[in-house]
Amino acid sequence: KAGVTQTPRYLIKTRGQQVTLSCSPISGHRSVSWYQQTPGQGLQFLFEYFSETQRNKGNFPGRFSGRQFSNSRSEMNVSTLELGDSALYLCASSLGTSGYTDTQYFGPGTRLTVL
Amino acid sequence: DQQVKQNSPSLSVQEGRISILNCDYTNSMFDYFLWYKKYPAEGPTFLISISSIKDKNEDGRFTVFLNKSAKHLSLHIVPSQPGDSAVYFCAASSWRGGSQGNLIFGKGTKLSVKP
Repeated sequence: KAGVTQTPRYLIKTRGQQVTLSCSPISGHRSVSWYQQTPGQGLQFLFEYFSETQRNKGNFPGRFSGRQFSNSRSEMNVSTLELGDSALYLCASSLGTSGYTDTQYFGPGTRLTVL
Repeated sequence: DQQVKQNSPSLSVQEGRISILNCDYTNSMFDYFLWYKKYPAEGPTFLISISSIKDKNEDGRFTVFLNKSAKHLSLHIVPSQPGDSAVYFCAASSWRGGSQGNLIFGKGTKLSVKP
């Protein structure tokens, strides 16, 4: 079974630009969660999508948004990039219907550098 | 306020000996706990999990113990192997608290296993 895939793996942007990251979950998984990893803050939850609906949201500004398609693939968008948005962005997928023991499996991440 | 804490940033162990990684949490609503292993520039790899109704779960060389009264969990690796050298993250979730898809991570413990 193929794992979670993320594209692109590396991205360099300049301040003020916007960026879109893509995530394809494990086949059969309907939940996709996004996380930001930085050296200072560690791994922080951005949002979760299940059946094309945002089910949960972390404490990030509105510049961070996402969506999920009918095939469970998800995209994350960051508008008006700031230097502090440089991070590893991780996507995780899970069944979404296993109740409280739903296990998330992570993709390799997209390394975003903002200059 | 950190809800999941890994107080040891690093741990060094001799090959063949036991590695014990610790994690403390503050939120009594957490009902599922997971351990992930991570290499630099890669996504976290799921290792083992435990639900709040259990106090121990084993999978091969990995055992996780949960002490709910102390709000403490630990990961035991026996015997430790050089390939276990990585950063280990403890994570928790709270479906009862309405936080589906939201994993709260500790800051990680870097394990080094010396040959």
